[in-house]
Amino acid sequence: DTEVTQTPKHLVMGMTNKKSLKCEQHMGHRAMYWYKQKAKKPPELMFVYSYEKLSINESVPSRFSPECPNSSLLNLHLHALQPEDSALYLCASSQDLSGATQYFGPGTRLLVL
Amino acid sequence: QQQVKQSPQSLIVQKGGISIINCAYENTAFDYFPWYQQFPGKGPALLIAIRPDVSEKKEGRFTISFNKSAKQFSLHIMDSQPGDSATYFCAARRLGGATNKLIFGTGTLLAVQP
Repeated sequence: DTEVTQTPKHLVMGMTNKKSLKCEQHMGHRAMYWYKQKAKKPPELMFVYSYEKLSINESVPSRFSPECPNSSLLNLHLHALQPEDSALYLCASSQDLSGATQYFGPGTRLLVL
Repeated sequence: QQQVKQSPQSLIVQKGGISIINCAYENTAFDYFPWYQQFPGKGPALLIAIRPDVSEKKEGRFTISFNKSAKQFSLHIMDSQPGDSATYFCAARRLGGATNKLIFGTGTLLAVQP
């Protein structure tokens, strides 16, 4: 099973709301990633977790807060977002940090009003 | 030096034709070059990848050509089909480094006309 699942598929939130995005993989991968993708643009790396520890934070604003509760789950907590944060949020996983092959989930389409 | 330049931005090909997408890089530390295919509303999916110790890799109708001296690589889609219509991203990665980031190209929107 090479599937990465993400919930919800779509999310609309106001600027004062708190919401969370969820990502799950059961491939035994030890590295997990959050990307942000704007329309007609490539994915932009936000965070990398390796063995459940935050490995890379690409200077992402603190209104985005990642969490890795266990090796299969990755969350992205959202608070006080701005309309410009509206995008497709993609989760990916790879076998480990040295594994170049990343498997992407279908993404969560986020709209911030 | 961390950029990967991709062209063309968009491409229209007739069914049965050959689609060619090109990428170029500067950083000689890159040593893994995947191509991702993304359909609307979906996440990118790994299509094919190459390491710089080979000049060509073929998987079905998809071929990567790699020119190490020119620091260029390209994706060829033979016998292009309407189902190949998608956005294609090349990428580059430095294996073994402290930062394991994929550097994506800007993407090519391919439309295969029936």
